[in-house]
Amino acid sequence: AQSVTQPDIHITVSEGASLELRCNYSYGATPYLFWYVQSPGQGLQLLLKYFSGDTLVQGIKGFEAEFKRSQSSFNLRKPSVHWRDAAEYFCAVGANTGNQFYFGTGTSLTVIP
Amino acid sequence: KAGVTQTPRYLIKTRGQQVTLSCSPISGHRSVSWYQQTPGQGLQFLFEYFSETQRNKGNFPGRFSGRQFSNSRSEMNVSTLELGDSALYLCASSLLNYEQYFGPGTRLTVT
Repeated sequence: AQSVTQPDIHITVSEGASLELRCNYSYGATPYLFWYVQSPGQGLQLLLKYFSGDTLVQGIKGFEAEFKRSQSSFNLRKPSVHWRDAAEYFCAVGANTGNQFYFGTGTSLTVIP
Repeated sequence: KAGVTQTPRYLIKTRGQQVTLSCSPISGHRSVSWYQQTPGQGLQFLFEYFSETQRNKGNFPGRFSGRQFSNSRSEMNVSTLELGDSALYLCASSLLNYEQYFGPGTRLTVT
């Protein structure tokens, strides 16, 4: 069965510092992987996605993620965090039968000025 | 292009009542999925509709149901509301498999 683990419930970084959010997945075939961001009281915004090909994917807002099959990971990175990046981040894996996503429990990001 | 819209945005209901939530997908998108988000359980998949047919279903009781209309708009219904149904209900639409765009959600509070 598909599942996603985000080991870090909450992360605090200083503005301008680099960021890495961890995501590990469990899936029997080639996974379709996603990162979403959710601001308070809002829906989810797609940051980036991985379907196949280049294992380093670029997304919006300066985010990137790297797919590592050997580690079953899809970690999200950003070289320099802005205060506006404070939000909840969700990693998700897509099932192979349509649009049924399995989400991690999320990582809450706090940015210190 | 307009995004996914959900109505109403906020709703307060009493235990035992029923509720209907509406979702209008992005124009041209034929797939609509529904998710429940709670602090304890996180984001959980309810069901997906594609061309008016339920294509996938999550592990929720039969009190949760949905439908999709010919214009791809979707509704979900929860009957006999329980306190535990209090949640943010998110709708997502998709043109292609595996790329979903989410609406702002409907915040349901059951008292």
